[in-house]
Amino acid sequence: QKEVEQNSGPLSVPEGAIASLNCTYSDRGSQSFFWYRQYSGKSPELIMSIYSNGDKEDGRFTAQLNKASQYVSLLIRDSQPSDSATYLCAVRGDMRFGAGTRLTVKP
Amino acid sequence: GAVVSQHPSRVICKSGTSVKIECRSLDFQATTMFWYRQFPKQSLMLMATSNEGSKATYEQGVEKDKFLINHASLTLSTLTVTSAHPEDSSFYICSARPTGGLAYEQYFGPGTRLTVT
Repeated sequence: QKEVEQNSGPLSVPEGAIASLNCTYSDRGSQSFFWYRQYSGKSPELIMSIYSNGDKEDGRFTAQLNKASQYVSLLIRDSQPSDSATYLCAVRGDMRFGAGTRLTVKP
Repeated sequence: GAVVSQHPSRVICKSGTSVKIECRSLDFQATTMFWYRQFPKQSLMLMATSNEGSKATYEQGVEKDKFLINHASLTLSTLTVTSAHPEDSSFYICSARPTGGLAYEQYFGPGTRLTVT
């Protein structure tokens, strides 16, 4: 079983819709979780970090963590074409990345 | 603040030669740096963790004699791909963890695209 699993997608949503990205992890002892955005040919940039169960909101982005179910999700509200990228879920300080989900927001 | 640079950004080399990639933290000190490799349409794979003044820790399956890592100062780590082959062609990304910063804090460099012909 992979340490971090994501729906590989691709995921396509219309502009203005909510994009939902999901990630599950295997290490029940994990305490920190991160969502990165990566544009093609570029290095990842941190969008959100979450450490406690529940929701964490930052602008149009909301991270949700459920440690009992071992999943973390990222919601993007009012999706914009500029949100089109690959989103990577990472777990723990040593940054084990999921495979990434490619998101396309269509105008 | 918290800028990490990599040099070169792109490099093309012939099979059998060696290539050195530099990773620098420009405005902070980094005791720990990480090296990742990313193949097209795949995720980042951690290759090794580099600690200043000590030997790097390599992930399982990564050949330490092929991918030489030197973290000689608090702002510089280098990755040398020795005897490069076409299958080593990839996007190499480093990240740096600030000394004394949060345990899970790290900043990524812009990446180096290596093509071996």
